[in-house]
Amino acid sequence: GNSVTQMEGPVTLSEEAFLTINCTYTATGYPSLFWYVQYPGEGLQLLLKATKADDKGSNKGFEATYRKETTSFHLEKGSVQVSDSAVYFCALSGNAGGTSYGKLTFGQGTILTVHP
Amino acid sequence: DAMVIQNPRYQVTQFGKPVTLSCSQTLNHNVMYWYQQKSSQAPKLLFHYYDKDFNNEADTPDNFQSRRPNTSFCFLDIRSPGLGDAAMYLCATSRVLGAEAFFGQGTRLTVV
Repeated sequence: GNSVTQMEGPVTLSEEAFLTINCTYTATGYPSLFWYVQYPGEGLQLLLKATKADDKGSNKGFEATYRKETTSFHLEKGSVQVSDSAVYFCALSGNAGGTSYGKLTFGQGTILTVHP
Repeated sequence: DAMVIQNPRYQVTQFGKPVTLSCSQTLNHNVMYWYQQKSSQAPKLLFHYYDKDFNNEADTPDNFQSRRPNTSFCFLDIRSPGLGDAAMYLCATSRVLGAEAFFGQGTRLTVV
């Protein structure tokens, strides 16, 4: 079945540092890939997505590239802010026509804390 | 303006006492999902509705049921909660399968 593995957390950075959160996946076919963010006390929000190989999703300074050859979708940001402190989830959704289409399989989440 | 609303935010129930969690949406989306998220674990899909069609995940315990009386509302019923059912329960909606999912803030369930 489908699975998503995220780097072990938590991650603690100083403001303006470079961020990478690794994510790899196992799936058949061509899944869609997502990063969701959960700020304290709030629900999950879609941060960015990519639906086919070599697509780059980007939003709010965050980027991730769909790499089919390495089955990865690593999240990056060049300069983090204190307001980026949150839990980040990598997720996939199976391709259309498959039994997992539209159903999100999540990684375990990575807690990011950014200090001033 | 909240688009997916879960009530209550925190629920305490007794071991074995039926409990219902509710979710409503103002997006008029066709699909509604329920996920269970245990502490420090990934959210896990329990089931989803596409309109009135109910789709249960194969490994969802029989103890968990769901109802969707209309487009806007979806309920999660836990018939006999055990200590292992303590978790955050997340409701989500999407316009169609594969479209962006919108999540509520979750209901944290405690079983005593």
